[in-house]
Amino acid sequence: KNQVEQSPQSLIILEGKNCTLQCNYTVSPFSNLRWYKQDTGRGPVSLTIMTFSENTKSNGRYTATLDADTKQSSLHITASQLSDSASYICVVSRYVGTASKLTFGTGTRLQVTL
Amino acid sequence: KAGVTQTPRYLIKTRGQQVTLSCSPISGHRSVSWYQQTPGQGLQFLFEYFSETQRNKGNFPGRFSGRQFSNSRSEMNVSTLELGDSALYLCASSLVNPIYSTSTDTQYFGPGTRLTVL
Repeated sequence: KNQVEQSPQSLIILEGKNCTLQCNYTVSPFSNLRWYKQDTGRGPVSLTIMTFSENTKSNGRYTATLDADTKQSSLHITASQLSDSASYICVVSRYVGTASKLTFGTGTRLQVTL
Repeated sequence: KAGVTQTPRYLIKTRGQQVTLSCSPISGHRSVSWYQQTPGQGLQFLFEYFSETQRNKGNFPGRFSGRQFSNSRSEMNVSTLELGDSALYLCASSLVNPIYSTSTDTQYFGPGTRLTVL
């Protein structure tokens, strides 16, 4: 079954600290993996997109890694800021005929506090 | 360049009614996707349109339907509303033609329509 599991479900960290969010997937055949940030009441915003051949990609203080062999990805946030408080969603795309299908994780809710 | 816009932003309906939601993609984007987001299920894919044709469909009942117009604007319709249809409905647009399954084109999401069914 094609699934994406994220951990932890929620996380509280102090401003300035680093954190790492995990994403494990069983989606096959793999096409790409995306991380999105979703602020409360807003639509998701794309942070990174990685294909099979990419094992790391950065977007400012956000760094995503991908291990296609173990089917794991992580999103590392460096020097967290209050504005990083949001839900982070991992999405894996797979091939289905000539189209791609997306499987979504349920997200990690991050709260950054003073 | 204006982002993806969705109307209305909030909607309250009662069971059995039907509802139509609208999405205007970013100018030049021809692909529009719709998603349902609930606290329990997270984001779930509804359908995707490109050049007025449905290219991709999720596992939702036939009560959920959509269409895309020649200007790429899209609407989704839910008939015979049920309490479980209460959710945030998100629309996303992208440049890519979804038949290119290896595409890593970025999807741009709108703010969503919050539907409450009483």
